[in-house]
Amino acid sequence: AQSVTQPDIHITVSEGASLELRCNYSYGATPYLFWYVQSPGQGLQLLLKYFSGDTLVQGIKGFEAEFKRSQSSFNLRKPSVHWSDAAEYFCAVSPGTYKYIFGTGTRLKVLA
Amino acid sequence: ETGVTQTPRHLVMGMTNKKSLKCEQHLGHNAMYWYKQSAKKPLELMFVYSLEERVENNSVPSRFSPECPNSSHLFLHLHTLQPEDSALYLCASSLVSAGETQYFGPGTRLLVL
Repeated sequence: AQSVTQPDIHITVSEGASLELRCNYSYGATPYLFWYVQSPGQGLQLLLKYFSGDTLVQGIKGFEAEFKRSQSSFNLRKPSVHWSDAAEYFCAVSPGTYKYIFGTGTRLKVLA
Repeated sequence: ETGVTQTPRHLVMGMTNKKSLKCEQHLGHNAMYWYKQSAKKPLELMFVYSLEERVENNSVPSRFSPECPNSSHLFLHLHTLQPEDSALYLCASSLVSAGETQYFGPGTRLLVL
């Protein structure tokens, strides 16, 4: 069955430190891959997405993600975290039209 | 207004009440979605409408009834809900094509007493 795993439920980093959020997916072919961010009381906002081509994808707010087919991973990174990045982050795959599978999310806390 | 809007933002209802959630998108999309977001669980896709026709219904109890009168509006009619239905209900829209980005509204926080 298709699935998305975000192994880290909570992550705490200091402001200015680098960040990597993990995402692994289970799917036979290369799906469309997304990272979304959700601030408290808000809906999900797209950070970036991958569907083909360069495996390093740049997104908004200084985020990037790297697709690694051999590891079925699509990890999100940011070189220097800001306090405003504290939020919940969701990885998602789309194996087809109308089909979107989300991970359980990683809640990021940023220490001043 | 731009993007995807949802009303109300918060709703408290008893188990015998009838209420409706409203979603409106101003993006020119032709697919709309209802999701349920509960703590510590992945987003659950409830319903999908494409070109105003329901294309997905993921084993959702009949106490939830969707309606899509046109490509810009989506409703979720609620009746005889249970306390376990308390959650954040998110609406999203997209173009109809594989891998299209979904755009989400801010959600309706529902509490069933």
